[in-house]
Amino acid sequence: NAGVTQTPKFQVLKTGQSMTLQCAQDMNHNSMYWYRQDPGMGLRLIYYSASEGTTDKGEVPNGYNVSRLNKREFSLRLESAAPSQTSVYFCASSEALRWGGGAKNIQYFGAGTRLSVL
Amino acid sequence: SQQGEEDPQALSIQEGENATMNCSYKTSINNLQWYRQNSGRGLVHLILIRSNEREKHSGRLRVTLDTSKKSSSLLITASRAADTASYFCATDGNDMRFGAGTRLTVKP
Repeated sequence: NAGVTQTPKFQVLKTGQSMTLQCAQDMNHNSMYWYRQDPGMGLRLIYYSASEGTTDKGEVPNGYNVSRLNKREFSLRLESAAPSQTSVYFCASSEALRWGGGAKNIQYFGAGTRLSVL
Repeated sequence: SQQGEEDPQALSIQEGENATMNCSYKTSINNLQWYRQNSGRGLVHLILIRSNEREKHSGRLRVTLDTSKKSSSLLITASRAADTASYFCATDGNDMRFGAGTRLTVKP
């Protein structure tokens, strides 16, 4: 009963380093999302994937890239990390795309990755 | 920019009391969802209310929606210490946005 699994749980990077955050879901969901959560800001959407093979920018995509590897996996890459990217990153999935799907767009979240960029 | 805005930002009550949180939004919606986030964890879906519904219940949760005022409220009755968490509304219209949340503390 894993749901959405994110790795790693914690990461410390130096400015300029790169890394990939991994996300996998076992609910056969079509849509997947990457958010960042900063204090007092709520969740902000970075990128999303409506279905396997498609990705789109969200509210704050600059400095990030994504890959929808298959239906289960959606990764987030920081090519050159900056201190402004220090945040908690959440991956989520839903049966249907976020809007207009009613109960089908209820999102299921992973436990998060806490990233610090020094 | 955030679509849903929760109010208050923080709320502290005694166990057994009711907790009410409000959410305001700006544009038309298809439905509105409420999520809970325990400290250090991901968000968990609580309840969804459609734009043509005015009230919905789930256990100790009661959600209302007033589309004319573009607002929703979440009521938790007979609160417990385990209800301590942050609560977020998420609106679903042309886009789906989460608010900054209400931090609820329930004191034993």
